[in-house]
Amino acid sequence: SQQGEEDPQALSIQEGENATMNCSYKTSINNLQWYRQNSGRGLVHLILIRSNEREKHSGRLRVTLDTSKKSSSLLITASRAADTASYFCATVSSMDSSYKLIFGSGTRLLVRP
Amino acid sequence: DVKVTQSSRYLVKRTGEKVFLECVQDMDHENMFWYRQDPGLGLRLIYFSYDVKMKEKGDIPEGYSVSREKKERFSLILESASTNQTSMYLCASSLGLGNKETQYFGPGTRLLVL
Repeated sequence: SQQGEEDPQALSIQEGENATMNCSYKTSINNLQWYRQNSGRGLVHLILIRSNEREKHSGRLRVTLDTSKKSSSLLITASRAADTASYFCATVSSMDSSYKLIFGSGTRLLVRP
Repeated sequence: DVKVTQSSRYLVKRTGEKVFLECVQDMDHENMFWYRQDPGLGLRLIYFSYDVKMKEKGDIPEGYSVSREKKERFSLILESASTNQTSMYLCASSLGLGNKETQYFGPGTRLLVL
């Protein structure tokens, strides 16, 4: 079963607005990562947050992690049309010795010019 | 910058054909991965390799095999392609093991099996 589940599945906003995407997971984790995928392309790593961190920033990106609720959110501020893409969370479970990334099914973000 | 390349962007094959998908990374990464991506299912790990000639099954290895003869190259093999293997295939690499390692992805190969 999938470790990460993103919410919403799709999001449409106007350029300049903020976009918030959420990710929930099931087991304890070592870290959680967010990736971006432009249509028909590979994934690009955006940001990693460790299990002992609560918030992290990178440019217009802000990620929060709540391990008690097993959830994370990705906030993109002042969105641009170029932010249109799918966004995936991925977790590294602490429940086994594997370092495998488990991906969610993604949120499709459309930023209208 | 890390560069991960895949041999084909688009591929059309017939049922029963043997299919080779090639992936090459240029940053001397230890680990390489093959995923498939299907709508609504996200990315699912097929196989991965943490060293030359080493391989580990992922979550959905059935119908696939892999080969890693050189550090920079990781091949995915469909021994006898079937229509349910129509998918987007993504290769990735990472520097080492450990829970902080991020993965670098290739552009993907969209495979259609007729």
